[in-house]
Amino acid sequence: GNSVTQMEGPVTLSEEAFLTINCTYTATGYPSLFWYVQYPGEGLQLLLKATKADDKGSNKGFEATYRKETTSFHLEKGSVQVSDSAVYFCALWEAAGNKLTFGGGTRVLVKP
Amino acid sequence: DGGITQSPKYLFRKEGQNVTLSCEQNLNHDAMYWYRQDPGQGLRLIYYSQIVNDFQKGDIAEGYSVSREKKESFPLTVTSAQKNPTAFYLCASSIGTVSRETQYFGPGTRLLVL
Repeated sequence: GNSVTQMEGPVTLSEEAFLTINCTYTATGYPSLFWYVQYPGEGLQLLLKATKADDKGSNKGFEATYRKETTSFHLEKGSVQVSDSAVYFCALWEAAGNKLTFGGGTRVLVKP
Repeated sequence: DGGITQSPKYLFRKEGQNVTLSCEQNLNHDAMYWYRQDPGQGLRLIYYSQIVNDFQKGDIAEGYSVSREKKESFPLTVTSAQKNPTAFYLCASSIGTVSRETQYFGPGTRLLVL
């Protein structure tokens, strides 16, 4: 079946540092890929998405590129802020499974 | 403002009791979903509904039930058969169930067992 693997956290950074969260996936066909963010005590918010190979999703300074050859969708941000402290989830949607499959989440803590 | 509301924010269940979590959306979305989130883990799909009066089991449907009598509402009942119900429950909706459509999430309900 489909699966998503994320790097385990927590990831602790200083403000203005570079952030990378690795995400790889296993799926048949050509899934759409998503990054969601969850702030403490809240639901998930869509951060960005990509629907086909080589697409780059971007939002709020975050970027991720759909790499079919490496089955990856790594999330990056060049300069993090304290307000970026949250849990980040990588997910894929494939029509055959008719559902979103989530990775385990990566907690990010940004210190001033 | 359009969005998804879930209530209550916290819910306490006694042993042997059924409890119902509310989910309402005013986005005019056809599809709705229920997920369960356990600490430090990703989300797992409980049930989903693509259209009114129809719903499908997800990966962990045992011990749960749902109904979809109205387009905007998708309540989840946690029955006494669910032996480990303590978790964070998230409701989501999307325009449909086509692969490229985004799911939008509510704020969640935290269920605790007394």
